[in-house]
Amino acid sequence: AQSVTQPDIHITVSEGASLELRCNYSYGATPYLFWYVQSPGQGLQLLLKYFSGDTLVQGIKGFEAEFKRSQSSFNLRKPSVHWSDAAEYFCAVGERTYKYIFGTGTRLKVLA
Amino acid sequence: DTAVSQTPKYLVTQMGNDKSIKCEQNLGHDTMYWYKQDSKKFLKIMFSYNNKELIINETVPNRFSPKSPDKAHLNLHINSLELGDSAVYFCASSQETTGDDTQYFGPGTRLTVL
Repeated sequence: AQSVTQPDIHITVSEGASLELRCNYSYGATPYLFWYVQSPGQGLQLLLKYFSGDTLVQGIKGFEAEFKRSQSSFNLRKPSVHWSDAAEYFCAVGERTYKYIFGTGTRLKVLA
Repeated sequence: DTAVSQTPKYLVTQMGNDKSIKCEQNLGHDTMYWYKQDSKKFLKIMFSYNNKELIINETVPNRFSPKSPDKAHLNLHINSLELGDSAVYFCASSQETTGDDTQYFGPGTRLTVL
């Protein structure tokens, strides 16, 4: 069965430090992969997505993610975190049957 | 311009009541979804409609009934509300025919059942 795992429930980083959020998936074919961000009390905003092609994808707000088929991973990175990046981050795998499977989310806290 | 909008943003009601949440998208998409986010932030799909036709119904109780009057709207009606229905409900939309599965989410409706 398809699944998405985000191993880190909480992550705390200092402002200006680098960030990597982990996402592992289990999927039978080449997946469609997404990262969304949810700020407190807000809806989900798409950060970036991978369908095919270049395995390093660039997103909004300075985020990037790398698809590694051999590791079944799609980790999200940012070289320098800003205080406004504090939020909940969700990884998702898309199915062609119209539904996403979401990970359980990683809450990012940024220290000033 | 709001792409996917939901009303109301907050809904507080008593157990046993019937309530509706409305969703509208102005993206011209052909597919719309309802998701439930529980208190632990876990997101799970409930329904999906493509061109007003129900595609996915993820073992949701019969008390939940989606209605799609046209491609731009997908409303969620809930009968006999229970405490466990308290959650944040998200509407989303996508355009399936282009092969781009990106779903765009609304701001959510926080439902509290007392």
